[in-house]
Amino acid sequence: SAVISQKPSRDICQRGTSLTIQCQVDSQVTMMFWYRQQPGQSLTLIATANQGSEATYESGFVIDKFPISRPNLTFSTLTVSNMSPEDSSIYLCSVGPGLNTEAFFGQGTRLTVV
Amino acid sequence: GQQVMQIPQYQHVQEGEDFTTYCNSSTTLSNIQWYKQRPGGHPVFLIQLVKSGEVKKQKRLTFQFGEAKKNSSLHITATQTTDVGTYFCAGMFSGGYNKLIFGAGTRLAVHP
Repeated sequence: SAVISQKPSRDICQRGTSLTIQCQVDSQVTMMFWYRQQPGQSLTLIATANQGSEATYESGFVIDKFPISRPNLTFSTLTVSNMSPEDSSIYLCSVGPGLNTEAFFGQGTRLTVV
Repeated sequence: GQQVMQIPQYQHVQEGEDFTTYCNSSTTLSNIQWYKQRPGGHPVFLIQLVKSGEVKKQKRLTFQFGEAKKNSSLHITATQTTDVGTYFCAGMFSGGYNKLIFGAGTRLAVHP
């Protein structure tokens, strides 16, 4: 199992500013994943972050808007840049799954852009 | 692209009634996982299905994986108020580097 500490848990931000979300894992993991979950909706994968390489972004998400850092095997950050109200959402980091293991999620960051 | 479709979107049941949610993919899945998310919480793993035709049970929950590994279902027998939440299936595709593609989720409301 893995325990993920994600912060901040929530924030209210002004449009045009940026917010960096941090995730700390209690064990070393190869891959970390960042998801967005809009209210009442499913989880949409933003990007996959491997340590030592650039993140791989899903269709519709770009590095300039969602830069990701992965400085070591236990930590990652996601920045939401130049925010607009449309970025209001819950952002979740995740580790796993492996081929036969589950995914573990952070508690999520509830972002409101005003 | 890779998609996992899930229905229904919402289900309201009386306590004691059964509940089923269905997932379908247009392409073969490597495996499928099921998660439950309580209101205000994060997704929590329930089960993983890997083999064609696999059936797994957890108390009142029964999970099935289709023979073609393209569809799956979760059935809850005799729902309880503690079953309230959103149930997500999440598929893993071959060559997908272990990323999960989530279905839309089924929000279950149980009326006492």
